[in-house]
Amino acid sequence: NAGVTQTPKFRVLKTGQSMTLLCAQDMNHEYMYWYRQDPGMGLRLIHYSVGEGTTAKGEVPDGYNVSRLKKQNFLLGLESAAPSQTSVYFCASRTGQPYEQYFGPGTRLTVT
Amino acid sequence: DAKTTQPNSMESNEEEPVHLPCNHSTISGTDYIHWYRQLPSQGPEYVIHGLTSNVNNRMASLAIAEDRKSSTLILHRATLRDAAVYYCILREIYNQGGKLIFGQGTELSVKP
Repeated sequence: NAGVTQTPKFRVLKTGQSMTLLCAQDMNHEYMYWYRQDPGMGLRLIHYSVGEGTTAKGEVPDGYNVSRLKKQNFLLGLESAAPSQTSVYFCASRTGQPYEQYFGPGTRLTVT
Repeated sequence: DAKTTQPNSMESNEEEPVHLPCNHSTISGTDYIHWYRQLPSQGPEYVIHGLTSNVNNRMASLAIAEDRKSSTLILHRATLRDAAVYYCILREIYNQGGKLIFGQGTELSVKP
């Protein structure tokens, strides 16, 4: 049982490039989340999903898109990366009981 | 979302109890109190949650004031591994999607 995994672990992009971050969970969780964490700050919610085929905006959705085509995967896309998107990105998932979110190890993204 | 206030940092000695305070004076009757912690270079992990009564689990205890305007996370015997940022989060019971709003948290350092 791997829990929540994120791919890749590190990435450097040039301004204007695009990329997709993959989050996968093997716990059959309905809910999945993407957060970003800037240095010295708490996590901020980007987008989330309450089930396969659904997505919704969080606190800071601009510049990102997401898709949940399969229950176990939640993809975060950056269409045209900007230096302001330099951050650590965390994915999380949970069951229908809303008490505990399980977080992945994070992806460190640098946009130059 | 109701706001929480935590000290920026606290220090503790190894094997001593630690009391981490959280003020949430605007809490509503339908807000759960959640605690998560984030070890260095890792994603957050769930610690404990409660609504009105004090709660205990294998990791910690949560003491909730009678008026619910404050709470305290208690680590009974701090270890070096407990050095982390601790987040106190309010989650509205009817919050669609179970979203968590992270503040800046309290950075706990543990001295040997």
